[in-house]
Amino acid sequence: GEDVEQSLFLSVREGDSSVINCTYTDSSSTYLYWYKQEPGAGLQLLTYIFSNMDMKQDQRLTVLLNKKDKHLSLRIADTQTGDSAIYFCAESRTNAGKSTFGDGTTLTVKP
Amino acid sequence: SAVISQKPSRDICQRGTSLTIQCQVDSQVTMMFWYRQQPGQSLTLIATANQGSEATYESGFVIDKFPISRPNLTFSTLTVSNMSPEDSSIYLCSADDTYGYTFGSGTRLTVV
Repeated sequence: GEDVEQSLFLSVREGDSSVINCTYTDSSSTYLYWYKQEPGAGLQLLTYIFSNMDMKQDQRLTVLLNKKDKHLSLRIADTQTGDSAIYFCAESRTNAGKSTFGDGTTLTVKP
Repeated sequence: SAVISQKPSRDICQRGTSLTIQCQVDSQVTMMFWYRQQPGQSLTLIATANQGSEATYESGFVIDKFPISRPNLTFSTLTVSNMSPEDSSIYLCSADDTYGYTFGSGTRLTVV
């Protein structure tokens, strides 16, 4: 079945850039998402990218997609302490259809 | 985007009892989903709930244990039945949005 993998932990200094990586196995993935989960909260959709795109930028967030390698990354510029959270990568074949989630990357931002 | 109100936010329950979790969406949505999230782990889909039809359960989850209702396009409930400590987890509902999902804030369930 479909699989999504992420590294579990990332620690950066405030002001640095963070790069969270994700790989997926389903070559039919059409929609790729990044979600943020803060302690005690649900998941918040941060951004998404279609499989026919290479890059998407939204303020401090940049998503890069290498479809050939099935590799997705999320770059957060000028990382702030408020960015500390768990970040989930997810994929689906159809918009708002069933998604497969990675295990989440815990980002810790040190002052 | 849609906003989901989920309650209760947390509960401590005795084994053998049942708990019903409610999710109210502020707009009509076609599909709603129920997930379980073990501490420090990813989300596992329990079932998909469409209005007017029975929920579709994922492998390992059955209706008798996790009955779901979807009476209209803005509301759904998940019941965790005959609970055991292994059911202790965070339960999340979500709904399809313009892109991706909107999630409720989750229900942290502890079974003692």
